[in-house]
Amino acid sequence: DQQVKQNSPSLSVQEGRISILNCDYTNSMFDYFLWYKKYPAEGPTFLISISSIKDKNEDGRFTVFLNKSAKHLSLHIVPSQPGDSAVYFCAATEANQAGTALIFGKGTTLSVSS
Amino acid sequence: DGGITQSPKYLFRKEGQNVTLSCEQNLNHDAMYWYRQDPGQGLRLIYYSQIVNDFQKGDIAEGYSVSREKKESFPLTVTSAQKNPTAFYLCASSIVMNTEAFFGQGTRLTVV
Repeated sequence: DQQVKQNSPSLSVQEGRISILNCDYTNSMFDYFLWYKKYPAEGPTFLISISSIKDKNEDGRFTVFLNKSAKHLSLHIVPSQPGDSAVYFCAATEANQAGTALIFGKGTTLSVSS
Repeated sequence: DGGITQSPKYLFRKEGQNVTLSCEQNLNHDAMYWYRQDPGQGLRLIYYSQIVNDFQKGDIAEGYSVSREKKESFPLTVTSAQKNPTAFYLCASSIVMNTEAFFGQGTRLTVV
């Protein structure tokens, strides 16, 4: 059973507009969440993370929001740029539980058109 | 330059042959991981290692084996028991478990 779900396989956005990528999780023990960006035939690169003690974390154009009661997080990219076109993976883990690796969602392919 | 190196980038093998994928890191990270990516499946955990000489099965360990004899190295062997070995394999490391992981560039394995 999937513990981390990204229900939208793809998202298309125009350059300059906001991109919102969503992620849901089922394991209430998860307390640390990350977003990765991946280009084809390359390894994922870390974008931004958030701990469950926060509900928002911002880094430049990227902001992650966490709604613990809904077990939902989202990544906002503002403004979107063509170079943002990639697959975005949400990941989660239990930060203080030994032996727990990152659990990834299936990813959302973002396409930003100019 | 610190990082994770996976080699080779592309690998072709005949069905029934074992093959070993290399992963080396010079980040002084304790934890290392192997993930597999298939189209539409995201990243699935094969094996992980929290420390030298220790490793644990992930969600899809059947048909794979690993070793962790050195802190820097975590090779993955895809055995003939793995039913669908053709995939993109990603190695990662982190300072300790449950923290931000850094990924290598991946190895595309094709079994013919």
